[in-house]
Amino acid sequence: RKEVEQDPGPFNVPEGATVAFNCTYSNSASQSFFWYRQDCRKEPKLLMSVYSSGNEDGRFTAQLNRASQYISLLIRDSKLSDSATYLCVVTPYNQGGKLIFGQGTELSVKP
Amino acid sequence: GAGVSQTPSNKVTEKGKYVELRCDPISGHTALYWYRQSLGQGPEFLIYFQGTGAADDSGLPNDRFFAVRPEGSVSTLKIQRTERGDSAVYLCASSLMGTSGNNEQFFGPGTRLTVL
Repeated sequence: RKEVEQDPGPFNVPEGATVAFNCTYSNSASQSFFWYRQDCRKEPKLLMSVYSSGNEDGRFTAQLNRASQYISLLIRDSKLSDSATYLCVVTPYNQGGKLIFGQGTELSVKP
Repeated sequence: GAGVSQTPSNKVTEKGKYVELRCDPISGHTALYWYRQSLGQGPEFLIYFQGTGAADDSGLPNDRFFAVRPEGSVSTLKIQRTERGDSAVYLCASSLMGTSGNNEQFFGPGTRLTVL
């Protein structure tokens, strides 16, 4: 079983749609949680950190449920420019900050 | 300021050859990480440097892979006797400190390695 699991998609949605991505992680000692965005043939870039209290950045909302070891990302009012692969990422406790990535979920927003 | 840079951007080699991949981290970043990304997968951790020393090399797949960071800045990933299965994008990232807190890693553009 992979440490971080995501539905690979692809998710094909129309502009303006709301889309949700889910992710589960197996290591209960994981310390920090993130969503990264990766455009085609580009490097991953941090989209947002994820906290138990939930956090929002504009159209993006991230949520962490430690008890269920579950992370989510909600994108409202999808734009064409949101088309990318979204990577769920965790860091194990006290291991120097190395990132453990999920497979990534591909999103395609159509006009 | 300058981000993380990696050279070469693309490398094509033949099975059995030796390759070196270079990473220039952001100036002042003490932590440096190497990851490998195969097609359709997320990046996979290889090795982490804190300063000059390899703090965690648990992700290196076998002893054909080796990395150095002799002066605590530039790092080189070395692959001996390359195999077709080594073909992937090799990503380097750096961060100000190597901690498990919210210490953002900045990625370079990667080196696309193809082993024929």
